[in-house]
Amino acid sequence: DQQVKQNSPSLSVQEGRISILNCDYTNSMFDYFLWYKKYPAEGPTFLISISSIKDKNEDGRFTVFLNKSAKHLSLHIVPSQPGDSAVYFCAASGGRDDKIIFGKGTRLHILP
Amino acid sequence: DAGVTQSPTHLIKTRGQQVTLRCSPKSGHDTVSWYQQALGQGPQFIFQYYEEEERQRGNFPDRFSGHQFPNYSSELNVNALLLGDSALYLCASSLWGYEQYFGPGTRLTVT
Repeated sequence: DQQVKQNSPSLSVQEGRISILNCDYTNSMFDYFLWYKKYPAEGPTFLISISSIKDKNEDGRFTVFLNKSAKHLSLHIVPSQPGDSAVYFCAASGGRDDKIIFGKGTRLHILP
Repeated sequence: DAGVTQSPTHLIKTRGQQVTLRCSPKSGHDTVSWYQQALGQGPQFIFQYYEEEERQRGNFPDRFSGHQFPNYSSELNVNALLLGDSALYLCASSLWGYEQYFGPGTRLTVT
């Protein structure tokens, strides 16, 4: 039973345009949501997080939006750069101390 | 400042054998979590250690056990290896209550 779902296995976006990665979750007890980025042969790198009391969090080119009623979150990357090509994992937990539940990931390709 | 380090990088074992993986947390971190990432999947939580005790455990059998040492480093042990245990094993460290930072992982192949 997948509690965090990333329904798009891959996404291709032109360099300079906006990349939007989507994620749905089923467990209403999740209180904290995160995005991780992973390059081959490396561990996941923390990108950005959002608490359930917020609906938006911004950090430079990265913005995460949370829609609690729809149990949906999205990561926006603007503008997309070649170095953004990686696998992006959406993740959720019951709090910062809690175990992290990951989605299967979305592979983002930034096209020149 | 060294990040999270894991050893070994790669490991090949035979079914039925036992394996020990090691993790050194990022400087200043006191909590270590272990994850298993199978091919094409996201990481799956195995367990978490804080103050040398297992604080949380995911849905993994007792063949998976761990330990945290006074210097906060940690080991993951897997007994009676199965082919299905082949995966990337990730260690993540954090300061209790803050974001987890991952190491590069240990690639375990069971033949």
